[in-house]
Amino acid sequence: DIQMSQSPSSLSASIGDRVTITCRASQSVSRTVNWYQQKPGKVPKFLMYTVPKLQSGESADPSRFSASGSETDFTLTINSLQPEDFGTYYCQQTYSGPPTFGGGTKVEI
Amino acid sequence: EVQLVESGGGLVQPGGSRRLACAASGFTFTNYWINWVRQAPGKGLVWVARIRGDGGRPQYADSVKGRFSISRDTADNTVVLQMNSLRAEDTALYYCARAYADWHGLDVWGQGTTVTVSS
Repeated sequence: DIQMSQSPSSLSASIGDRVTITCRASQSVSRTVNWYQQKPGKVPKFLMYTVPKLQSGESADPSRFSASGSETDFTLTINSLQPEDFGTYYCQQTYSGPPTFGGGTKVEI
Repeated sequence: EVQLVESGGGLVQPGGSRRLACAASGFTFTNYWINWVRQAPGKGLVWVARIRGDGGRPQYADSVKGRFSISRDTADNTVVLQMNSLRAEDTALYYCARAYADWHGLDVWGQGTTVTVSS
């Protein structure tokens, strides 16, 4: 199975900061990585796919959230961090085999 | 309204069985894969199983293969996760979530149902 590892596992940032979360796959997953946000006690929410607008249902504000990467290395960037952006972010590969999640990155404001 | 509603959680003894159900409404059920994802208390998301819109290609995480079985009933728009030989490490909040294709993200999630495996 493909393993997904995220870094950092947690971070603290200030309002207005630019935040970057990294996700690394144990083997190539092309560009097939999805990102989710989960707030404490809440249901995970689909943020976005690596290729913008290729899927419906994305909830990320495109003016602040961007996703990039290919093969094994992927990033989720939050430009100008807002108070509502706190929570835990997960990457997930849906390229091959079990659609595995990364371990999560907790973002604290 | 597009909705997924899980049911069936509860307390079960080690070695026991539990049947979870995911009821879908507000969308064309057969067009979507339905996934089960679990989250142990204080831990991250773990994918468990999924099944295609037509009921084909059930797939499982290695940790549940041979113990869990996923199926769907298109007559009443429900996906069932039958969990047997339950272990303490299966204790989690179980979510069902849909995906339009096997490579798509999980764009709609249910509220989850909690399974606790304990004597």
